[in-house]
Amino acid sequence: DAGVTQSPTHLIKTRGQQVTLRCSPKSGHDTVSWYQQALGQGPQFIFQYYEEEERQRGNFPDRFSGHQFPNYSSELNVNALLLGDSALYLCASHRTGVVYFGPGTRLLVL
Amino acid sequence: DQQVKQNSPSLSVQEGRISILNCDYTNSMFDYFLWYKKYPAEGPTFLISISSIKDKNEDGRFTVFLNKSAKHLSLHIVPSQPGDSAVYFCAASPIYGGATNKLIFGTGTLLAVQP
Repeated sequence: DAGVTQSPTHLIKTRGQQVTLRCSPKSGHDTVSWYQQALGQGPQFIFQYYEEEERQRGNFPDRFSGHQFPNYSSELNVNALLLGDSALYLCASHRTGVVYFGPGTRLLVL
Repeated sequence: DQQVKQNSPSLSVQEGRISILNCDYTNSMFDYFLWYKKYPAEGPTFLISISSIKDKNEDGRFTVFLNKSAKHLSLHIVPSQPGDSAVYFCAASPIYGGATNKLIFGTGTLLAVQP
């Protein structure tokens, strides 16, 4: 049983560019959430998708957007990248109860 | 506004001894608490959870204690092993009308278990 998978593992972009990160949830999970983890901090909730709609959103600007597909996989898009967007981006999935995390995508913005 | 706080950035323990990691929260709406372990270059791995209707939950070497009146929880690892060395995150989940599992994380505690 594959857990939560994410791609790519690492990414380097320059300021102003756009990036798309991808996530496949754990088998049987229908809810996907995205988190940003800056260096030395705990993960911060970006948003959550359920039934292809954004259900909850954290304190992130509109430059951060997402999508969930009928097979429950998800994308995170970030436009107009800033240096401060450099972080580990974690995808998490659940159905009920425990939230499981993927390995993350390390984004570096130069 | 840090709603979940882990005030000890690091902890060093001898192998075989007990590790106690602490976590405080401020939001009384939090109803479900989880502990995650994180190695470098990996995502957080779920360890153990506790619902607010309980004050203790055990799973092997790991026990979580919840004191709702003090808004405090702790993770006990007994006995500690070198492989337990990692960053430990406390997370809390608010319950709003049934929509849940948005996790609020603390800043983590780096546990080093010395052989």
